[in-house]
Amino acid sequence: GQQVMQIPQYQHVQEGEDFTTYCNSSTTLSNIQWYKQRPGGHPVFLIQLVKSGEVKKQKRLTFQFGEAKKNSSLHITATQTTDVGTYFCAGPGSNYKLTFGKGTLLTVNP
Amino acid sequence: DAGITQSPRHKVTETGTPVTLRCHQTENHRYMYWYRQDPGHGLRLIHYSYGVKDTDKGEVSDGYSVSRSKTEDFLLTLESATSSQTSVYFCATGRTNTEAFFGQGTRLTVV
Repeated sequence: GQQVMQIPQYQHVQEGEDFTTYCNSSTTLSNIQWYKQRPGGHPVFLIQLVKSGEVKKQKRLTFQFGEAKKNSSLHITATQTTDVGTYFCAGPGSNYKLTFGKGTLLTVNP
Repeated sequence: DAGITQSPRHKVTETGTPVTLRCHQTENHRYMYWYRQDPGHGLRLIHYSYGVKDTDKGEVSDGYSVSRSKTEDFLLTLESATSSQTSVYFCATGRTNTEAFFGQGTRLTVV
């Protein structure tokens, strides 16, 4: 079945440093989504990418969908303590499934 | 997300007892999902629904069943709870299977 893999599993940065998490799918995706989960909270939908090579920005967050539509990345510029949390990517699978990666836990040292 | 309510929010139950978790949505979303979240495993799909009375298994469905008799409600039942089912359970909904809006979660402890 479809697998969605994320790296790294953990990332610790100093406030102000950049951060990137990567997502790879075993199959071509029609789209990919990104979510953020704050400690103790629930995942919150951030964005969906649909087109090959698509790049979208949300303030300091930049999302990219690979040309082959099998990989994606989330880049945060100049991290802040409010960026702390786990970032998940997810892709639709067969029969209406929605499969999540294991997530990247970001911690920020002020 | 305000339109998705999970109940109960916390539950402690004994091994061998049946447990039902409820997810209620006011969004009229077609798709509903149950995930469990455990350290090191991310979000794993248990069961999902793509319409009323249309459900299917996810990757970790053993020991769980679901029912969806109306659009608003998606029930997850642990037929005979085991300690390995201690987890945080999240319900999610979506208009399509390309988005998911999550409830607040249910923390279940099986003792």
